[in-house]
Amino acid sequence: AQKVTQAQTEISVVEKEDVTLDCVYETRDTTYYLFWYKQPPSGELVFLIRRNSFDEQNEISGRYSWNFQKSTSSFNFTITASQVVDSAVYFCALIASSNTGKLIFGQGTTLQVKP
Amino acid sequence: GAVVSQHPSRVICKSGTSVKIECRSLDFQATTMFWYRQFPKQSLMLMATSNEGSKATYEQGVEKDKFLINHASLTLSTLTVTSAHPEDSSFYICSASHREGTLNTIYFGEGSWLTVV
Repeated sequence: AQKVTQAQTEISVVEKEDVTLDCVYETRDTTYYLFWYKQPPSGELVFLIRRNSFDEQNEISGRYSWNFQKSTSSFNFTITASQVVDSAVYFCALIASSNTGKLIFGQGTTLQVKP
Repeated sequence: GAVVSQHPSRVICKSGTSVKIECRSLDFQATTMFWYRQFPKQSLMLMATSNEGSKATYEQGVEKDKFLINHASLTLSTLTVTSAHPEDSSFYICSASHREGTLNTIYFGEGSWLTVV
């Protein structure tokens, strides 16, 4: 069975603080993809990153960085110097390579960045 | 880049009526589309896989007679909520998978807010 767990339901930080959103996944597939999406109040899903299971290199994109560790089945997301505009719900998701597009989402983490 | 468009973005309907939501792939052909439902403060749950030219595949617990899915063309899938009840009020969002090189890229529609009164 496939499962994604985001243990943090809500996180509140003050602007300019760094914040890490945790994601732990379960899958029996050896080839799979992991995703992070941002969902602002308007509802649309904003794609942030896709990582395949064979690429454990950490990635940095501006203030965003991701730490993928297969040994612990984790794919954590860090926002450096958070801003109020980062306030949103963030979802981690998983898809097996054999699947054509069916995503398994975590429960989501609501991030509130206060000025 | 590839775009998936969803319409309407917001709809209010009366209990007992039916409402249709459209999901279109604007510049690519999508043989498979996916419909998700998201209740307030909850995660996105897959409802069904929409297959062009054949019946949709529903996830466990989703009533296929209530949530009718039609994928009549390679660019359009529709979700019809029949005999809507207030508990059907939710955010519905579709996605389509597009082959780009060796990768399947997933594109989401903008989502549709359904309120049943």
